[in-house]
Formats: sequence, structure tokens, C-alpha cells
Amino acid sequence: SAVISQKPSRDICQRGTSLTIQCQVDSQVTMMFWYRQQPGQSLTLIATANQGSEATYESGFVIDKFPISRPNLTFSTLTVSNMSPEDSSIYLCSVPSGGRAFFGQGTRLTVV
Amino acid sequence: EDKVVQSPLSLVVHEGDTVTLNCSYEVTNFRSLLWYKQEKKAPTFLFMLTSSGIEKKSGRLSSILDKKELSSILNITATQTGDSAIYLCAVSQVTSGTYKYIFGTGTRLKVLA
Repeated sequence: SAVISQKPSRDICQRGTSLTIQCQVDSQVTMMFWYRQQPGQSLTLIATANQGSEATYESGFVIDKFPISRPNLTFSTLTVSNMSPEDSSIYLCSVPSGGRAFFGQGTRLTVV
Repeated sequence: EDKVVQSPLSLVVHEGDTVTLNCSYEVTNFRSLLWYKQEKKAPTFLFMLTSSGIEKKSGRLSSILDKKELSSILNITATQTGDSAIYLCAVSQVTSGTYKYIFGTGTRLKVLA
């Protein structure tokens, strides 16, 4: 199993600003996923963060909007840049372990 | 395109009822099917199914996978208000050694006292 500490838990931000979300894992992991869950929707994969290489983004998500850092095998950050109200969502980091996906506590972002 | 579809989208029942949630999938390089419960923000793991026809059970919850029909069901018996949540179905796929999880739309369950 994996224990993931994600912060902040929630934030209210002004449009046009940026927010960086952090995830710390209690063990070394090769892959880390970042998801977005818009209100009333399911989880959508933003990107896969691999240590030592650039993140792999899913269709519809770009690095300029969601830059990701992965400096080592236990830590990653996701930045939501130049925010608009449409970015109001829950953001989740996740790691696979033993075939399961384990999740951080989530960040509830509200953009006003 | 890979997809996971859940039904119903929402469900309202009374305490003590039994519910069946459905999940169907069309995913290449299938590895396993997983069920999660989401009450606030972070989904919590319920079951992982890899073999067809073998029921996984935990208390009042049970689940089974039908790989021929590309589907799974999650049963909850004697429902309680604490079962109120969104239930997510996810399918894992492995391509060139890389894991990926595809989530369904979720079923929002509300159990009334």
C-alpha cells in the first residue's frame, strides 16, 4: 500500500492567479497520476508524472496550463496556472501499488 | 476509444434495501476492474477483480466480474445511511509496462433513514 499526503486540502483563489498542489508519498514510486474531478463528474486523468522525465499529458491538457514537477521518487507538484472559474474542481494525486490506485486526500479548488 | 460506463447515474433507496450497481467497459489491454467509494474527496478502495466469475465479498458488499460480458456488478445488502456516497468503477490497463486507470461516471447512492 501507499500513504499519500496532499496539500492544500482546499483553497479559494482569484481568477488569473496560480495554485501549486503538493503530494508526498511514504515510499518511492515510479509513476504518479494527477486527476481532475469537476463538479458532478468522474475522475479525468490530467497527466502522468515520471521521475527524471517530462510528464505525459492527456488529450485536452497542456503543460503551460498544468505544469508538473517530479524532483524525486516520493514527491510531485501540480500547478494550476492562470485560473478561471472553470478550473474549480477537486484535484487528486494517485499512485499505483499492487494493482490498486491509492489517492491523496484531494484538493478542493474554488476560483472566484 | 477506451470507456467505462456505470449505471444508474443516481439512486435513492431506504435503509435495509439491497442495491445493485453496474459497470460495463470497453478497454484495451485490460488488467483489472476496481471499485471505489467516494464520500468527500479521496476515493477509498473497495475491490479489485481480475478473474471472471469469482465473487469478492466484504461484509455487506460484494462484487463480481464477467469478462465475457465486459461488465461487473457491485451489490450492497441491508443498506445503511453510511453507504451514501459516489461509487466509482475503474479499469486498469497496462501498455508497454505503463499503468493507466480509466474511471467511470460514477453512481451517486443516497440511502434514506
